[in-house]
Amino acid sequence: AQSVTQPDIHITVSEGASLELRCNYSYGATPYLFWYVQSPGQGLQLLLKYFSGDTLVQGIKGFEAEFKRSQSSFNLRKPSVHWSDAAEYFCAVGNNDMRFGAGTRLTVKP
Amino acid sequence: DAGVIQSPRHEVTEMGQEVTLRCKPISGHNSLFWYRQTMMRGLELLIYFNNNVPIDDSGMPEDRFSAKMPNASFSTLKIQPSEPRDSAVYFCASRVDLNTGELFFGEGSRLTVL
Repeated sequence: AQSVTQPDIHITVSEGASLELRCNYSYGATPYLFWYVQSPGQGLQLLLKYFSGDTLVQGIKGFEAEFKRSQSSFNLRKPSVHWSDAAEYFCAVGNNDMRFGAGTRLTVKP
Repeated sequence: DAGVIQSPRHEVTEMGQEVTLRCKPISGHNSLFWYRQTMMRGLELLIYFNNNVPIDDSGMPEDRFSAKMPNASFSTLKIQPSEPRDSAVYFCASRVDLNTGELFFGEGSRLTVL
């Protein structure tokens, strides 16, 4: 059965520090991979996606993610976090059906 | 372009009442998904449609839940009768096709069942 694991429920980083959010998946084949962000009371907004090709993908707001097939991972990174990045981040996996991880809540310290 | 439109944004009802949530997908999108979000269970996929046909409803929690898509521009998720444990945010999302592109989400319908 397919599954998406985000091992970190909550992460706190200082503004200006680097960030890495982890995502691991279990799927029969190489699925499409996504990262979404959700601000309080809002819907989910796409940050970036991987379908095929270059395993390092660039997204909006300075985010990037790297697909590592051997590790079944798709970790999200940002070199310098801004206070406005505080939100909930979801990794999603799937082809026909899209499954989401439990989410990682990011807090940014001033 | 208008995004995915959901209504109502907030619904408060009493246990036993019927609840109907509505969704208008992005024009030209052929696939529509219903999700439920709670603190305990995160984002759960309830059901998804392609070309107005339900493809997989295995995520629908109970027979009290039903979903329809009578045409390409409208879908409903109905709960009858509602129970307090149904309290959640229900999201609708659409996609160009079943295997194409990303999901675009509506802003959600927050349901509170007293």
